[in-house]
Amino acid sequence: KNEVEQSPQNLTAQEGEFITINCSYSVGISALHWLQQHPGGGIVSLFMLSSGKKKHGRLIATINIQEKHSSLHITASHPRDSAVYICAVYGGTSYGKLTFGQGTILTVHP
Amino acid sequence: DAEITQSPRHKITETGRQVTLACHQTWNHNNMFWYRQDLGHGLRLIHYSYGVQDTNKGEVSDGYSVSRSNTEDLPLTLESAASSQTSVYFCASSERGRVNNEQFFGPGTRLTVL
Repeated sequence: KNEVEQSPQNLTAQEGEFITINCSYSVGISALHWLQQHPGGGIVSLFMLSSGKKKHGRLIATINIQEKHSSLHITASHPRDSAVYICAVYGGTSYGKLTFGQGTILTVHP
Repeated sequence: DAEITQSPRHKITETGRQVTLACHQTWNHNNMFWYRQDLGHGLRLIHYSYGVQDTNKGEVSDGYSVSRSNTEDLPLTLESAASSQTSVYFCASSERGRVNNEQFFGPGTRLTVL
């Protein structure tokens, strides 16, 4: 079993829908990254959080440390949101090194 | 603006050849990382460095080496390229000194070993 599990692995939505991607982890962590990767593209950091909630535009990330769970929400989804979303965690005793989930492939149809 | 760059962006080489992938960042970050990304495996750590003259092995370091002679650069060398090293390689960097460091990624290098 991977230390970082994402669900779903694939997600298809219609433009305008509210989207949730989940990340569960089995180790103690100091922080969690949400990353975005467009097809054939580089990797962009969306959020890094260690507690509570962060919001940037239509994106919202939440984390529950006690439940070892984080969610990434996209409101009013758009075809340009189509990408792979990757959850990655900094282990509590592992300075600087990330452990990655397998990614969630999101496709938003117009 | 500060940035992180990788070169080349695409590389085709033959089995057995030595290949070096460059990574350069202008953030003055002490921490630098090399990852490979493969279908079915996600991103995996190859090598990392916490500063000049410091290098460490990651989970998939066999067949790779790095050196850190200055803050800005962490070149990744494949000593004798193998077909199993066909992959997309990403370099990343982060600031030192705090536990929770946001990592910034380069654009990636697509390497094909024939």
